[in-house]
Amino acid sequence: NAGVTQTPKFQVLKTGQSMTLQCAQDMNHEYMSWYRQDPGMGLRLIHYSVGAGITDQGEVPNGYNVSRSTTEDFPLRLLSAAPSQTSVYFCASSSSGQTGTQYFGPGTRLLVL
Amino acid sequence: GQQLNQSPQSMFIQEGEDVSMNCTSSSIFNTWLWYKQDPGEGPVLLIALYKAGELTSNGRLTAQFGITRKDSFLNISASIPSDVGIYFCAGYLSGGSNYKLTFGKGTLLTVNP
Repeated sequence: NAGVTQTPKFQVLKTGQSMTLQCAQDMNHEYMSWYRQDPGMGLRLIHYSVGAGITDQGEVPNGYNVSRSTTEDFPLRLLSAAPSQTSVYFCASSSSGQTGTQYFGPGTRLLVL
Repeated sequence: GQQLNQSPQSMFIQEGEDVSMNCTSSSIFNTWLWYKQDPGEGPVLLIALYKAGELTSNGRLTAQFGITRKDSFLNISASIPSDVGIYFCAGYLSGGSNYKLTFGKGTLLTVNP
């Protein structure tokens, strides 16, 4: 199993550009989520999905869109990038609700100029 | 917003010393998880705790789920240089979503050889 994979590893954008961060998992997990990590802030939940076709907002959803058309994939879209979105983005997946371990991908480092 | 208070924010210790860090909250948690994040990587699960009072070890690591269900601690014994990294506590809130993890802001550990 590859676990949770994320692409790209690094990305530089100009303000106003759009892009999609990819996330995929091969563990057949029902739950997937996106976090951003900023210095001194820990990990903050952006959006999450409890299954294909179901998504919901987390703590910091503004400026981001998600969709979940398959169990395996959970892309995160930035429609118009802003410097405030410079961060490290992590995707995670889990099963079994509140007893489930969340497995994290290696992260995407995004710089918005 | 953030509902977990993790302390200390950072620690500088000598190799061989023991380390202790903790998380507290005003809310009750059903599950406590402790993660470690190496530089440039995603968080990796160290220990999971599911019952109040539970004490669990993983090698040199020991963690406990507080009796009140509002706190947890992580101890590392006989630290070594590869223990360097950021340690996060995380938990599932009682009465909250089955899948939404709340994270502490992390403890940055530096070990001097």
